[in-house]
Order: sequence, then structure tokens, then C-alpha cells
Amino acid sequence: AQTVTQSQPEMSVQEAETVTLSCTYDTSESDYYLFWYKQPPSRQMILVIRQEAYKQQNATENRFSVNFQKAAKSFSLKISDSQLGDAAMYFCAYRSVNRDDKIIFGKGTRLHILP
Amino acid sequence: DSGVTQTPKHLITATGQRVTLRCSPRSGDLSVYWYQQSLDQGLQFLIQYYNGEERAKGNILERFSAQQFPDLHSELNLSSLELGDSALYFCASSSMGVYNEQFFGPGTRLTVL
Repeated sequence: AQTVTQSQPEMSVQEAETVTLSCTYDTSESDYYLFWYKQPPSRQMILVIRQEAYKQQNATENRFSVNFQKAAKSFSLKISDSQLGDAAMYFCAYRSVNRDDKIIFGKGTRLHILP
Repeated sequence: DSGVTQTPKHLITATGQRVTLRCSPRSGDLSVYWYQQSLDQGLQFLIQYYNGEERAKGNILERFSAQQFPDLHSELNLSSLELGDSALYFCASSSMGVYNEQFFGPGTRLTVL
């Protein structure tokens, strides 16, 4: 069974600085999707960024980028120029490529932005 | 706004009761997923329906059941409620596109007293 591990329950970063959230996963599959979701105080689940395992190039969405290391089964999220609105719970997640499979979530990392 | 709607937003009930949570997927999405987010278990997949049929089951208790109707909306029924069932229940929907991306609704906050 696949598992997703986020080893940092909480992190803090100064506004305008850069922060990296860590995530490791375990799977025997060769093709899959990895995601970072953001959950602000409103509780809405918002997709931040997506990475296809067959792509070597790391995904980037504006200030958000990932460092995808397939062999190490590592998938970290880097947030540049942190803003107060980035304060939220961040979930790393895994999904198989097989049809439309369930998403497996990590326990989350709560990110605080210090003004 | 993801296009997925869930009602009610909040639900407060007592132990032993039964409740029904409702989800309307995005227009055209055939798949509906239910997830439970609790403090101790995190976010867990409960069950998936595709075009009216159950497709996958996760950590769903026998006291819980779901169905998807011909108009594709879905209901999650929770019965014999216990204090530990207090959680945020999310519905997500997806289409059969390239990424099969799941779009999450705003969730229903269930409090069992």
C-alpha cells in the first residue's frame, strides 16, 4: 500500500523569505501523480501544484515549485517570497495513474508566516 | 469556487443519531469521492462512486453508507453516530480527463455531542 509522510508538523517562515516543506512517499508503482494541497482556515482544499512521476522536470506554479526526486521518493514544496496569505495547512498527496483512484494524503504541515 | 457543492455546511447532532450529507459534483463529472478529515486520523478516503456505481472503498465504517443518484449527486449516510465521528467530511468530483483531477467541495462539519 502507498503511504505519504510529512515529517514537519509545523513550520514558520518570515514574510518574503523562502521555505521548503518536506514529503516522502512509498510506492511500488512506476507511474503516479503527486500533489500539494493547501488548506487555509476556511478549510477549503486547494490544489497548489501537481507533478507527474514520468516527468523529470520539476513542476512550477508562480511562487510554488517542487523538488521531485523519484529514486529517493521525495517530493518537497518550495514557496518563494512567502506572503501572509500562504499561511495554511499543506498536504502532500499521492494518487495512482490507474483510472480515477483515491488520493492518499500525508498528515500535513502547518505553515505560519511571520510578519 | 471548485464547482462542487456540499450541504449542509455544519451539522450538530447527538450520539446514536443518523445524518445524511449531500454532495453535488461539478457539471459533467461522473466520479464522486468522499473523504473524512479528523484530528487523529487526518484525511482519509472513504468511498468512490462512478456514474451511480460503487467503484472503490476505503476506511469506511459499516455504520456509514453512500449512494450516487441518476442525476449524479451523492449522499453519505452516517448512522448510530459516535463522538469519534465528529469530523469534516469532504466530497470531491472528477472527470475522465488526462489528470482526472479531483475538485473538492467546501466540506460539511459534523459535530456529534
